[in-house]
Amino acid sequence: AQSVSQHNHHVILSEAASLELGCNYSYGGTVNLFWYVQYPGQHLQLLLKYFSGDPLVKGIKGFEAEFIKSKFSFNLRKPSVQWSDTAEYFCAVNRGLTGGGNKLTFGTGTQLKVEL
Amino acid sequence: EAGVTQFPSHSVIEKGQTVTLRCDPISGHDNLYWYRRVMGKEIKFLLHFVKESKQDESGMPNNRFLAERTGGTYSTLKVQPAELEDSGVYFCASSQELGHQKQFFGPGTRLTVL
Repeated sequence: AQSVSQHNHHVILSEAASLELGCNYSYGGTVNLFWYVQYPGQHLQLLLKYFSGDPLVKGIKGFEAEFIKSKFSFNLRKPSVQWSDTAEYFCAVNRGLTGGGNKLTFGTGTQLKVEL
Repeated sequence: EAGVTQFPSHSVIEKGQTVTLRCDPISGHDNLYWYRRVMGKEIKFLLHFVKESKQDESGMPNNRFLAERTGGTYSTLKVQPAELEDSGVYFCASSQELGHQKQFFGPGTRLTVL
């Protein structure tokens, strides 16, 4: 079974600091990769996704993620965080149509707190 | 467009009682998913409907959980009888197609079993 690991459970940064959240997955076949975010009191929403092509994907609010196939990784980055980025971030994987469907496998989440 | 809605937002019940959670997907979305997050753990897949048919129910914990989607619109998830370990946040998501389509999540129902 596939699994997703997020190594940082809690991260505290000052505004303008750079962010990198780690995500590794275990499945060896073709995968689709996602980062979701849940702001306080809001729904889970998609930050960005990777299906194919350029391994560096850009999402909303200045976030980007890089897919490194050899490392089974999909780390999330932002060069300069803002207080409004305080949220919980989830990495997720699915195998898509050819690998058994659309169900998402999530990591445990990373709680990010940005201090002024 | 209206998003995925879930009802109730919170439910507190006693062990042994029955609870029914409802999810209304985005109109026109054939795919509907249920997920659950137990406190401190990852969000886990429960099951996937395509229209009214169960496509994948591999994540359902046991036979105390029953999901339905009559008519292929809204879905209900019934827990009967509820146990303490059923406490958590139950999320519903929907998508228009399979494959690359992102899933739109609802706000979740926080279930507490005492």
